[in-house]
Amino acid sequence: QITLKESGPTLVKPTQTLTLTCTFSGFSHSTSGVAVGWIRQPPGKALEWLAIVYWDDDKRYSPSLKSRLTITKDTSKNQVVLTMTNMDPVDTGTYYCTHSIHNLKIDAFDIWGQGTMVTVSS
Amino acid sequence: DIQMTQSPSSLSASVGDRVTITCRASESIRDYLNWYQQKSGKAPKLLIYAASSLQSGVPSRFSGSGSGTDFTLTINSLQPEDFATYYCQQSYITPPWTFGQGTKVEIK
Repeated sequence: QITLKESGPTLVKPTQTLTLTCTFSGFSHSTSGVAVGWIRQPPGKALEWLAIVYWDDDKRYSPSLKSRLTITKDTSKNQVVLTMTNMDPVDTGTYYCTHSIHNLKIDAFDIWGQGTMVTVSS
Repeated sequence: DIQMTQSPSSLSASVGDRVTITCRASESIRDYLNWYQQKSGKAPKLLIYAASSLQSGVPSRFSGSGSGTDFTLTINSLQPEDFATYYCQQSYITPPWTFGQGTKVEIK
């Protein structure tokens, strides 16, 4: 059974850096086609994809947020870490960690963590 | 970026109804289209991938169709547990993976 769980601060101040950790189990991040990433959702709004790291350590970022995001993986710890710099109140929302598969048959976010709510306020 | 537009934004339906949600891409995405269900306060759940393939464990009353720019999610015989918000998402030209704005299915 695949599970993912997000952890990190619930409140950050404007201009601070947010660091979120995704700890997962039930799969190997070294398996071909597997990726772990982050998607966020402002309160009452739609989903926004942020970043992804593939099994081979290839990384992709949202073009609109690329300058602020860094994603890293620690396969030995079964963790993926997302950092977002220069936080602003518009970054308030629920941040989800996702497992995804990318091959000829499927390219989708098939398992999601429960999400962690982050509020940006002074 | 490819823009995904869903219609309607919300709808009211009764248990047992057949519900159809439409998703349109700003350019062709072949069949690289996924559908998710999100219940209030919960994480999204993958329902359909590759436009028409049912994810394991998802009831057969859910179905997807379409290719190119126009796609449809159909729920046959709506059940009480189906009241939720539904999102489409493209995975053809990435990054970024982009989502529609969501369709909220409410009880009539």
